[in-house]
This record gives sequence, structure tokens and C-alpha cells, in this order.
Amino acid sequence: EVQLVESGGGLVQPGRSLKLSCLASGFTFSNYGMNWIRQAPGKGLEWVASISSSSSYIYYADTVKGRFTISRDNAKNTLYLQMTSLRSEDTALYYCARGTEVMDAWGQGASVTVSS
Amino acid sequence: DIQMTQSPASLSASLGETVTIECRASEDIYNGLAWYQQKPGKSPQLLIYNANSLHTGVPSRFSGSGSGTQYSLKINSLQSEDVASYFCQQYYDYPYTFGAGTKLELK
Repeated sequence: EVQLVESGGGLVQPGRSLKLSCLASGFTFSNYGMNWIRQAPGKGLEWVASISSSSSYIYYADTVKGRFTISRDNAKNTLYLQMTSLRSEDTALYYCARGTEVMDAWGQGASVTVSS
Repeated sequence: DIQMTQSPASLSASLGETVTIECRASEDIYNGLAWYQQKPGKSPQLLIYNANSLHTGVPSRFSGSGSGTQYSLKINSLQSEDVASYFCQQYYDYPYTFGAGTKLELK
């Protein structure tokens, strides 16, 4: 069974940093591109970043470019999102999702709240 | 960036009814479109990809169609378990963009 389990969320002050992790199991992680998508409370879905299977290709939304870094460790079956200079508008549930274009498996999400 | 305009924002329908949700792209996305279902308190789940291909395990009452800039998701014979929000997503080009969503409720 494909499983994606996010961790690392929490309450953080504006301007601080936080690192999310997504542990994958049930499939060959190194064969798949991965994504981070977020959902602000009561709002829709916003694509945040994507990384190819070998980390050769990385893309970011303009809203996070220069502040967030997506990475992966295929030996540990883990996807990461390093978030710096956090803002209140980054408050959201952060999902990791499998796929290069179409996202066919999603985690349960990690909640990030940016507030003083 | 490619803008995705989804309609309606909300929809109320009766059991057994057929419902249609539309998504319009700001430019041709060449069938690079997926539909997702998100039940309350749950993660999104893939329904349709490549505009009209049914994802594994998705009931056949769901179908997708369209081309160019206009796409739609149809649910035949609405069931109670279909109460959810539905989102379209274009993956023709980065940045990937989602429609604002359609909240489907039972009448």
C-alpha cells in the first residue's frame, strides 16, 4: 500500500524557519517525481514545489521561490521542504503528493501555523 | 501563469442526479488536466487524468471530457459518498495551477 506520511509541522513565528518531511513507503520512491501542495484553512489547493525522481529538475511557485527549498533523499525514501522567512500567508496544511504531473497519492498533511 | 476558472463554486443536487462541473483554462492546456475529489477532513484523491482517463479504482459514474481550454467532470447517478469538494488542476505547464474548487452537497 502506498503511504506518504508528513511530519515537522507546528506553530512558528513570522520570519522563522521550519522543515517538513514526508516518509514514503509501499512503492519505489526513487522512481517518482514528488510535490508539495498546500491548503490554507477553508481554501483551495495551491501547488508549492516539485522535484524530479533524481532531483535533476526542481520547480517552485513564485509565492515561495527564494524562501522554500524542496529536496529528497532516495536512500531514506524521504521528501523534504525547508521553509525559511515564513509569513502569516504560509499558514496552511502542507501535503506531499506523488507524481510528476498527475498526483496519484497524497499524504494526510502537516499543519503549519505562522503567528506571533 | 495559466489560470483555471472553475464553476460553479457550489452545487446542490439530489441522489441519483447527474452533475457537471466545468473548468476553463486561460490558454490551451492540450488535455493536461486532472480532477481531484476531497472529502471533508480528508486528503485529495485523484479521479481523472489526461482530461478523460479514469484513475484506477474510481467508479465509472465519474467521467471527464473536454479539450483546448474547456473541460468538464460529470458524475452520473449521484451517490451520498460523492459529497465532497472537487478541484481541477492543469499540468501542461509550470506553475501547476488548480481551480478554486466546487463544493458538492446533497439537496
